[in-house]
Amino acid sequence: EVLLQQSGAELVRPGSSVKISCKASGYTFTDYYMHWVKQRPEQGLVWIGRINPANGNTVYAEKFKSKATLTADKSSNTAYMQLSSLTSEDTATYFCTIRAFAYWGQGTLVTVSS
Amino acid sequence: DVVLTQTPPTLSATIGQSVSISCRSSQSLLHSNGNTYLHWLLQRPGQSPQLLIYSVSRLESGVPNRFSGSGSGTDFTLKISGVEAEDLGVYYCVQGTHAPNTFGAGTKLELK
Repeated sequence: EVLLQQSGAELVRPGSSVKISCKASGYTFTDYYMHWVKQRPEQGLVWIGRINPANGNTVYAEKFKSKATLTADKSSNTAYMQLSSLTSEDTATYFCTIRAFAYWGQGTLVTVSS
Repeated sequence: DVVLTQTPPTLSATIGQSVSISCRSSQSLLHSNGNTYLHWLLQRPGQSPQLLIYSVSRLESGVPNRFSGSGSGTDFTLKISGVEAEDLGVYYCVQGTHAPNTFGAGTKLELK
């Protein structure tokens, strides 16, 4: 069974950074790109970017190029997304997803507040 | 970036009614490899999205066959043949043909 287990909710200060994780199991980690998606409260889905875990190659949506950094650790089958210079606009639930959006993590809520 | 325009934004239906959602793309979603990477998702309240249809018309495993997808090029449709209570939520189309991937704004399906 494919599972994507994300790290827990985060409460962070404006201006800081946060790193969230997505641990994959039930498939070969390097077989699928790992995508990340943002959803602000009561809003739609926004694609952030994706990483190829096999070689670390990344593609980002333009608006996230200076906001998000995607990495992947093949030894632990875990993908990471670091978000920097956080503002209230970054308060959202972040999802990891693979295989043409067939499998999703449960989401990680990041709340940016002082 | 490719813009996906979903209509209607809100859909009210009774149980058993058949409904359709449209997704129109600002450019053709036909990839140079001959595939069209247009997919449909359902997000129920408080849950992660769920894949219903991939590559325009292919039913994801475990998804009831009352869901069907059609279309080509820039115009796509999701049809639900006989809405059930568990179908309520927000439907999104998403394209993977052109980078960056983009989502439609969503269509909320409610009970009338």
